[in-house]
Amino acid sequence: DTGVSQDPRHKITKRGQNVTFRCDPISEHNRLYWYRQTLGQGPEFLTYFQNEAQLEKSRLLSDRFSAERPKGSFSTLEIQRTEQGDSAMYLCASSLRQGRLDNEQFFGPGTRLTVL
Amino acid sequence: AQSVTQLGSHVSVSEGALVLLRCNYSSSVPPYLFWYVQYPNQGLQLLLKYTSAATLVKGINGFEAEFKKSETSFHLTKPSAHMSDAAEYFCAVYNQAGTALIFGKGTTLSVSS
Repeated sequence: DTGVSQDPRHKITKRGQNVTFRCDPISEHNRLYWYRQTLGQGPEFLTYFQNEAQLEKSRLLSDRFSAERPKGSFSTLEIQRTEQGDSAMYLCASSLRQGRLDNEQFFGPGTRLTVL
Repeated sequence: AQSVTQLGSHVSVSEGALVLLRCNYSSSVPPYLFWYVQYPNQGLQLLLKYTSAATLVKGINGFEAEFKKSETSFHLTKPSAHMSDAAEYFCAVYNQAGTALIFGKGTTLSVSS
């Protein structure tokens, strides 16, 4: 068990550019989540997958954001036409859902995005 | 709707002193509550979780929390603070559908020698 990994750890981009982040969950976990964390705030839910199906999206996930988990393993989060307001830490988490509500989510180290 | 409120954005204690970080929740269903810790430029690490099995929950690094339904609270405590406990602490609750965690705004714990 190597934990949840995210790549890159840091990304600096210019406004209007597209960026893509990758998340590799713990291998046996069937649920994968994306959160966004801005300075001084707790993480806010963006979206989650059960296997390859994207089952829920937050209102925070504007149409410039898209997430995929093509084979039910790793996931990508793409932001198109980045804006300065997109600057944040993007956190990925995974969990093993086995019909119980209380399975904890394991978080990756995050990708810090800075939009200039 | 589910929510959590963390009272006090910043708590300062001396090394060896009691740590008390406050969390109150609002839930329309029996809550599943969590405390996570975040060190600078890192992800979140689970400290402990409440899943209705026991009201006093023991976690890692000597932390524990007590679920009090009458007070809708889930405060985090540690008898004796260590310098390495300095970090950001987040209380969280699962949303009603059990599909996402809802986090508080966090409490920064500072420990002085």
